[in-house]
Parts: sequence; structure tokens; C-alpha cells
Amino acid sequence: DSGVTQTPKHLITATGQRVTLRCSPRSGDLSVYWYQQSLDQGLQFLIHYYNGEERAKGNILERFSAQQFPDLHSELNLSSLELGDSALYFCASSPTGTGAGANVLTFGAGSRLTVL
Amino acid sequence: AQKITQTQPGMFVQEKEAVTLDCTYDTSDPSYGLFWYKQPSSGEMIFLIYQGSYDQQNATEGRYSLNFQKARKSANLVISASQLGDSAMYFCAMRVLLGYSTLTFGKGTMLLVSP
Repeated sequence: DSGVTQTPKHLITATGQRVTLRCSPRSGDLSVYWYQQSLDQGLQFLIHYYNGEERAKGNILERFSAQQFPDLHSELNLSSLELGDSALYFCASSPTGTGAGANVLTFGAGSRLTVL
Repeated sequence: AQKITQTQPGMFVQEKEAVTLDCTYDTSDPSYGLFWYKQPSSGEMIFLIYQGSYDQQNATEGRYSLNFQKARKSANLVISASQLGDSAMYFCAMRVLLGYSTLTFGKGTMLLVSP
């Protein structure tokens, strides 16, 4: 158990629908990152939050949005789903501070989304 | 921008032998970190080893070592005494250590360990 909790583990939905993926970071970690892993695109960075504020955006579609709440958990909202959104979505967290440990991202087990 | 290149789509190794997974990187930033992650068939991403750009010695973690050659911009992962449980996808990644940077991943290498 990495300490990063993602729910749900699996999700099957239809095109056009909306889903919410949830992530709880490791205790004490203020940074949360979202990544998408698909067969054709590999691991793509979506968005980074630090202590509730958006810090960096990657290849995140306008149909996708995220937020980090005061208790530091984060949610990734995917709307108007398309077949191509089927992927494994990872959440990762990292601590603040200096040193090697602060640079390491710890990943959750992922949420596998299938859009039919 | 950072770039990670893993040129080996797949590697085969026999149990108990050592194997090297290649990784080259490109960045203009002087301060960066290099990482290796393992993804077994179950899907989770498991952190293996980290090397900072200013670290003088190569990182080691149990059977894993990172062969860091800064001038060549390479960060190869060496797994000694391979085990069947090492069969997985391995990703090399890097992160600039300034500001709010994120991990950039390579495309991965699939390692298969045979008995």
C-alpha cells in the first residue's frame, strides 16, 4: 500500500457521460498530481495541485477539470466522455521540503476508466 | 522541455542474471532528478530508485542500481540477480528540481524474466 488512495478502481461508463475520480494523498503530502496512461499516449501529466492551488497544467482537455479540497484530497472530473478517454488515471502525491525524498512522487493504484 | 528516451521496447533475461535497462534524457536545467518506476501487470506504479543530478555516487536500492553518466545524459537501471517477480514494465522519468515541476516519463521497457 503506497499510502495514496484512489477510488474507484474500475469504472465503466458510456460516451457522453461524466465521472469523478477521487484521490487521497499520503498523510502530510501537500502536492497532488494527476496522470493519464493510455496505450497510444503513454503516461501524460494532466495537472498538479499544491495545498489547494493549481500549480501546473499539462495535456488536460477542457472537458476535464480537477480540484484539491481543504482536507487535501483531490477530484478529477471527466465530462462528455469519449471512447478515447478510456485509460488508467493515476493520482500521485509528494511531500514538501528538500532532500531526495521530497522529489519522489508516490502513485496510487490508479482508476481504470472504460468508456463504451 | 525535458525528454526521456527508452529505446528498448522489450527485454528478456533469465532468472538470476543481471539486466540493464537503458534510459537517456535531455534537459537544459542543471538541477534535476532521475527516477525509475516499475509497473507490474496489476497496474500500480512502484517507485524503485532516485538519482539527483548533483549526487556524486550512483544510487543503489537493494538489487537495483542506477548507472548515472552525466556527460552522456544516461541513467540506466541495473537489476542484479533477476527474479520472476521482476517481470514488469519499467519507466524512466525525470523532474527538474526547481519550482513546481512534474515528472516526465519515457515510453517504458517491458522486462520478461524466464525461469
